[in-house]
Amino acid sequence: EAQVTQNPRYLITVTGKKLTVTCSQNMNHEYMSWYRQDPGLGLRQIYYSMNVEVTDKGDVPEGYKVSRKEKRNFPLILESPSPNQTSLYFCASRYGQGSTDTQYFGPGTRLTVL
Amino acid sequence: ILNVEQSPQSLHVQEGDSTNFTCSFPSSNFYALHWYRWETAKSPEALFVMTLNGDEKKKGRISATLNTKEGYSYLYIKGSQPEDSATYLCASTSNFGNEKLTFGTGTRLTIIP
Repeated sequence: EAQVTQNPRYLITVTGKKLTVTCSQNMNHEYMSWYRQDPGLGLRQIYYSMNVEVTDKGDVPEGYKVSRKEKRNFPLILESPSPNQTSLYFCASRYGQGSTDTQYFGPGTRLTVL
Repeated sequence: ILNVEQSPQSLHVQEGDSTNFTCSFPSSNFYALHWYRWETAKSPEALFVMTLNGDEKKKGRISATLNTKEGYSYLYIKGSQPEDSATYLCASTSNFGNEKLTFGTGTRLTIIP
């Protein structure tokens, strides 16, 4: 089944404790993104990647890192999480760089930073 | 319009009634408009991608139209059913070569049985 998976789905952590949210897709997609969803705001892009070893900042990259060492995986790293990073996070992928391609979302990770 | 805006924010519709809501987006340098359906506790699911002025897409009881000159798209649901309850998101992209989708905040639709 074609899908985007994320882990963990739920996470409660404390300020400053490094964490990684994994994202994997099995559709051989080139383009992958991370978004955060906060009440009253639309999905905002954190980082994106157009292919292996090619990543770039989205709208809200501060406090986050990503890597793209393999085509299927695009982990999101919070080196020193803070309470303002409490949010619902979505990973997404699409086939190419063309913005008319259908984008597929993962199931979401709800992160709480105390 | 600099951002993508959706209205109304929320909507309650009686089962069986038809409804529609709006997505407004920047018309200059427009490239594509996406609609997503997002059910609670699930991930957003793509409904339509439209690019041309006058485009009309349909999937079952749901359809969408696009006006790129004035910068708006309508989503229509005919004969609403309880399973249509969801948040409907739209997102636009520009032709700057930036592949980013800019999302609206969504219209939360609740169907009353």
